[in-house]
Amino acid sequence: DIQMTQSPSSVSASVGDRVTITCRASQGINTWLAWYQQKPGKAPKLLIYGASTLQGGVPSRFSGSGSGTDFTLTISSLQPEDFATYYCQQANSFPYTFGQGTKLEIK
Amino acid sequence: EVQLVESGGGLVQPGGSLRLSCAASGFTVSRYYMNWVRQAPGKGLEWVSVIHSGGSTYYADSVKGRFTISRDNSKNTLCLQMNSLRAEDTAVYYCARVPEIHGVVTYNYGMDVWGQGTTVTVSS
Repeated sequence: DIQMTQSPSSVSASVGDRVTITCRASQGINTWLAWYQQKPGKAPKLLIYGASTLQGGVPSRFSGSGSGTDFTLTISSLQPEDFATYYCQQANSFPYTFGQGTKLEIK
Repeated sequence: EVQLVESGGGLVQPGGSLRLSCAASGFTVSRYYMNWVRQAPGKGLEWVSVIHSGGSTYYADSVKGRFTISRDNSKNTLCLQMNSLRAEDTAVYYCARVPEIHGVVTYNYGMDVWGQGTTVTVSS
């Protein structure tokens, strides 16, 4: 199985800050990586697929990059509604695997 | 409106069985890769199973041989039959769809439509 490792596991930031979350796959997954945002008590929301393609309706302050084993999610200017937990997921092969999550908290 | 609504969760004793359903509206379940993903209390996301548009199925090792994913095309519904339940199966269970991108139905694009989740508690 492909292991996905996210860092950091948590981060504190302020509104307007730029934040980057990284995700590393244990083997190459081309660009078959998705990012999700999850708020407490809610289902995950797809933000990015194909490592860098923004899902419809997602604000442009979110961006993704990477290929192979190393990926990043960047939020260019944090808004109050962005404080949540973020997960990466490899979609290269089954079993799908998720990173352990990054909790983005208000400083 | 494209929507998924899960049902069937509840409290069950260890060793028991439960059947989850996921009713789809706004699209046809049989056309897409459809998944079950679970989240134990306070934990991260764990993929459980998928059924391919062609009917092929895959399972996480943690549930293989105990869970069965299926579709009821007449009801446009995804199902998960869970047998031999264990305490570690306690979680919120979500159904989720892999999108069609530029007319291509494949499994590589993440999951774009999720249900609200149904809670399964395995406890004596």
